[in-house]
Amino acid sequence: GAGVSQTPSNKVTEKGKYVELRCDPISGHTALYWYRQSLGQGPEFLIYFQGTGAADDSGLPNDRFFAVRPEGSVSTLKIQRTERGDSAVYLCASSSTVNTGELFFGEGSRLTVL
Amino acid sequence: AQSVTQPDIHITVSEGASLELRCNYSYGATPYLFWYVQSPGQGLQLLLKYFSGDTLVQGIKGFEAEFKRSQSSFNLRKPSVHWSDAAEYFCAVGPGSGTYKYIFGTGTRLKVLA
Repeated sequence: GAGVSQTPSNKVTEKGKYVELRCDPISGHTALYWYRQSLGQGPEFLIYFQGTGAADDSGLPNDRFFAVRPEGSVSTLKIQRTERGDSAVYLCASSSTVNTGELFFGEGSRLTVL
Repeated sequence: AQSVTQPDIHITVSEGASLELRCNYSYGATPYLFWYVQSPGQGLQLLLKYFSGDTLVQGIKGFEAEFKRSQSSFNLRKPSVHWSDAAEYFCAVGPGSGTYKYIFGTGTRLKVLA
């Protein structure tokens, strides 16, 4: 498809489990962002990639969260030892131009930690 | 530090009435400003953006916004609301000097009465 694709759309897991969320950005977009949106809140910045490298990971809440983008396209957000507080919608966005570009968002991956 | 404030959590208007959603920002320089809309089950979609120049910007779906530097505001307006405009609206700022983050407000949920 032409848009940002995120899988899975829904993920239910148990506390303590490991989770991976995948983002497939728009082809050719070099900038990729991960955001987290909790109920009733706006998107909260997690990490930004320019190409393969994480240019800014200051939003990752702790070392249980990690993201990669090995070939500069698809990105995976990895959460270890999940906690109930990690429950949220994880949004991925891509952009073709850094600093002034429109962000194109996927529909998100809803994570529920029981 | 950059920040965005949307003072209205919920707004209810009648179909056909005018609409104004408020957004105030904190930023060290001339900001890049955005309004996004999020409909249930869908990703965020860009309504309009301001980078420079004319302070009144036109967007999709009949929306417009006005940048007022003196008030640090970027309010979203629509002269006549349609039932399909019911959604959550997010104001965003960025990226800024030395950062690639886009910072989002907490959102305003719009309800439209028939």
